[in-house]
Amino acid sequence: AQRVTQPEKLLSVFKGAPVELKCNYSYSGSPELFWYVQYSRQRLQLLLRHISRESIKGFTADLNKGETSFHLKKPFAQEEDSAMYYCALSYNTDKLIFGTGTRLQVFP
Amino acid sequence: DAGVIQSPRHEVTEMGQEVTLRCKPISGHDYLFWYRQTMMRGLELLIYFNNNVPIDDSGMPEDRFSAKMPNASFSTLKIQPSEPRDSAVYFCASRTTQGSNEQFFGPGTRLTVL
Repeated sequence: AQRVTQPEKLLSVFKGAPVELKCNYSYSGSPELFWYVQYSRQRLQLLLRHISRESIKGFTADLNKGETSFHLKKPFAQEEDSAMYYCALSYNTDKLIFGTGTRLQVFP
Repeated sequence: DAGVIQSPRHEVTEMGQEVTLRCKPISGHDYLFWYRQTMMRGLELLIYFNNNVPIDDSGMPEDRFSAKMPNASFSTLKIQPSEPRDSAVYFCASRTTQGSNEQFFGPGTRLTVL
């Protein structure tokens, strides 16, 4: 079955440190992958998707089909990056499958 | 467009009571999704509709949960009777058939069952 795994429930870093939020998926075909972010008291919103190959708020994510990973990275974390991050997969259906999420805490 | 609208934003009720959560999707969107968010299980898909028709309700926990979409601009998620373990944040999301599978989320309803 298709699955998205985010192994870390909590990731804490200091401001200016690099950040990598891990996401692995299980699917043999060509998935569409997303990162969603939920800031405190705000709704879940799309951060980026792999087909766009874009950088949003300094974050990037590269799809690695060999390792079935879609890790989210940022070279220098900011306090305003503190939020809940969800990796999600879509595969030839209408649905998104979400990981369990990683809470990122950036300390000053 | 105000985005996906959910009401109420907060609901506190007692065990055994009926709870109804409401959602208005973005105009023109033909998919609507209901999710439940908990600390332990993250974001779980409960049910989704396409053109007002339920497509997949395999995520609905049990018969106490039901969802309807009487028209393109309104959906309800009902829990009857409610139990303390139903306490969670319930999100509604919508998307269009066109383009990618990006879903647009509402602000959520925080449900507390005492």
